Amino acid sequence: DGGITQSPKYLFRKEGQNVTLSCEQNLNHDAMYWYRQDPGQGLRLIYYSQIVNDFQKGDIAEGYSVSREKKESFPLTVTSAQKNPTAFYLCASSISGGSYIEQFFGPGTRLTVL
Amino acid sequence: SQQGEEDPQALSIQEGENATMNCSYKTSINNLQWYRQNSGRGLVHLILIRSNEREKHSGRLRVTLDTSKKSSSLLITASRAADTASYFCATDAIQGAQKLVFGQGTRLTINP
Repeated sequence: DGGITQSPKYLFRKEGQNVTLSCEQNLNHDAMYWYRQDPGQGLRLIYYSQIVNDFQKGDIAEGYSVSREKKESFPLTVTSAQKNPTAFYLCASSISGGSYIEQFFGPGTRLTVL
Repeated sequence: SQQGEEDPQALSIQEGENATMNCSYKTSINNLQWYRQNSGRGLVHLILIRSNEREKHSGRLRVTLDTSKKSSSLLITASRAADTASYFCATDAIQGAQKLVFGQGTRLTINP
């Protein structure tokens, strides 16, 4: 089946720890995205990548880091510098180039800082 | 930054009734998209309307776009309990790089 997988589904972190959220897609999409969603809110863009080995900051990149070494994978690291990391994190992908492009989303990872 | 604002924030109706949600945005766009999110899940794309289109249909969904008022509406006809979800509009700004900007969503509850 084609799609996007995120792991783990739930993640608990102690304050001061870095954690890495996994995102993998087998849709052969060039572009991948990470969003943060807080309760009752919309999505805010953290980072996005339009091609392997390249990525750009979104609107709320502080305290986060990413890598894009493979087309299929776009892991997100939540660092200890992120002041309020408890949230629902969503990964998405899309084809690249042109307009009128929909994004396909993974099931999300819920991160809780203890 | 969040460009889209949905109205109302929450909507509760009886099964079989029609549900209308509105979205307003601030800057010129290439297209506007609507997504659905079931509780605790990822988003699912519903429909995309281009900036040069005024209305689009997909099954029980009807989307309108008024670029002069920078607004869009999503109508779900003959609602079902399974339509209970949050609905988000997302805009793709003309100057953007495939970056979608999402609104805060409308939480729709369909009562049986």
